[in-house]
Amino acid sequence: GAVVSQHPSWVICKSGTSVKIECRSLDFQATTMFWYRQFPKQSLMLMATSNEGSKATYEQGVEKDKFLINHASLTLSTLTVTSAHPEDSSFYICSASEVGLSQPQHFGDGTRLSIL
Amino acid sequence: GQQVMQIPQYQHVQEGEDFTTYCNSSTTLSNIQWYKQRPGGHPVFLIQLVKSGEVKKQKRLTFQFGEAKKNSSLHITATQTTDVGTYFCAGPPGNTGKLIFGQGTTLQVKP
Repeated sequence: GAVVSQHPSWVICKSGTSVKIECRSLDFQATTMFWYRQFPKQSLMLMATSNEGSKATYEQGVEKDKFLINHASLTLSTLTVTSAHPEDSSFYICSASEVGLSQPQHFGDGTRLSIL
Repeated sequence: GQQVMQIPQYQHVQEGEDFTTYCNSSTTLSNIQWYKQRPGGHPVFLIQLVKSGEVKKQKRLTFQFGEAKKNSSLHITATQTTDVGTYFCAGPPGNTGKLIFGQGTTLQVKP
């Protein structure tokens, strides 16, 4: 149980393109999902908390107009990297946890984004 | 804000040797979680510790939560090549549900 699916796995696109990444909880409902960014050989940096039916909560230093988050249902959150540039190239991972405090997070497979 | 520090950053061991990674938080934690990320993969939940002084075992892995609930450790006995990966500890700042991750310890095991 507790499977999180993330799509796409890889994206290569030109500078200026907007890229949408989907995160789905397949067998449970997630009122909260999280988006992380991970640079090579580094830790996971929390970007934002995605809340179903309300605005996302962004961590300090993360541009909300650059990284648009939508959590329209209890099983789907999307992250859109708008007008992507080479410095946005990274590994983006989402996670979701089941209802209840202090529940473990279940991660998607991640999306490798390369902006040319 | 809360910081979670983890040492060492890297560890190379011979297969069969033991391995330990240490995690320290700047603030008291309600719980601490451990995750493993294989090269090229995503983090996978290993365990959660909640109680002060708690010790949990999973086969060759032993997890401890400090008495003050500010530090934790993961010990692997007799490492195997399948143990290769990066081990992260993570703790929640308050009751938000989000996690702050340590820097991770990358384990390499020589066969």
